[in-house]
Amino acid sequence: GDSVTQMEGPVTLSEEAFLTINCTYTATGYPSLFWYVQYPGEGLQLLLKATKADDKGSNKGFEATYRKETTSFHLEKGSVQVSDSAVYFCALKVTGGGNKLTFGTGTQLKVEL
Amino acid sequence: NAGVTQTPKFQVLKTGQSMTLQCAQDMNHEYMSWYRQDPGMGLRLIHYSVGAGITDQGEVPNGYNVSRSTTEDFPLRLLSAAPSQTSVYFCASSQYGQGANYGYTFGSGTRLTVV
Repeated sequence: GDSVTQMEGPVTLSEEAFLTINCTYTATGYPSLFWYVQYPGEGLQLLLKATKADDKGSNKGFEATYRKETTSFHLEKGSVQVSDSAVYFCALKVTGGGNKLTFGTGTQLKVEL
Repeated sequence: NAGVTQTPKFQVLKTGQSMTLQCAQDMNHEYMSWYRQDPGMGLRLIHYSVGAGITDQGEVPNGYNVSRSTTEDFPLRLLSAAPSQTSVYFCASSQYGQGANYGYTFGSGTRLTVV
């Protein structure tokens, strides 16, 4: 079946450090890939997405590139801020899969001054 | 534009009690779904609906019922609450299409404790 594997957290960084959160996937079809962010006490918000191989999604300084050859969709940001502290979820949706999203377990990011 | 509204935000139930978690969206989205979020397990799909009158089971449907009488509302019913149903519940909606890549809009969640 379809699945998403994320690096375990928490990830703790100093402000202005470079961020990478790894995400790999297994899919029976040809998926679209998503990153969602969950701030404390809130629901998930769509951060970025990519719908085909080599596409790069970007938003709020975050980027992720759809790599079909390595089945990966790693999230990166060049300089994190304290306000980026949240839980980040990688997810996939397979065309013809009934619109269902399959989520990874989430990676908690803590950014300190 | 309110988006997806969930009520209540917090609830404590005794084992065996029943309750309904409410979810409403005002975006005319065809697709609605319920997830539960547990530590270390991410989000798991409970039930979903692709339109009024149509519902289907997700990954963890046991102990939960849903109905979809209108496009706007998608309530989740716990028939006889158990401690294993202690969790945070999220409702999400999106436009629907088999080949589409619409993101979901999530509600702010209901934190349920069963004692």
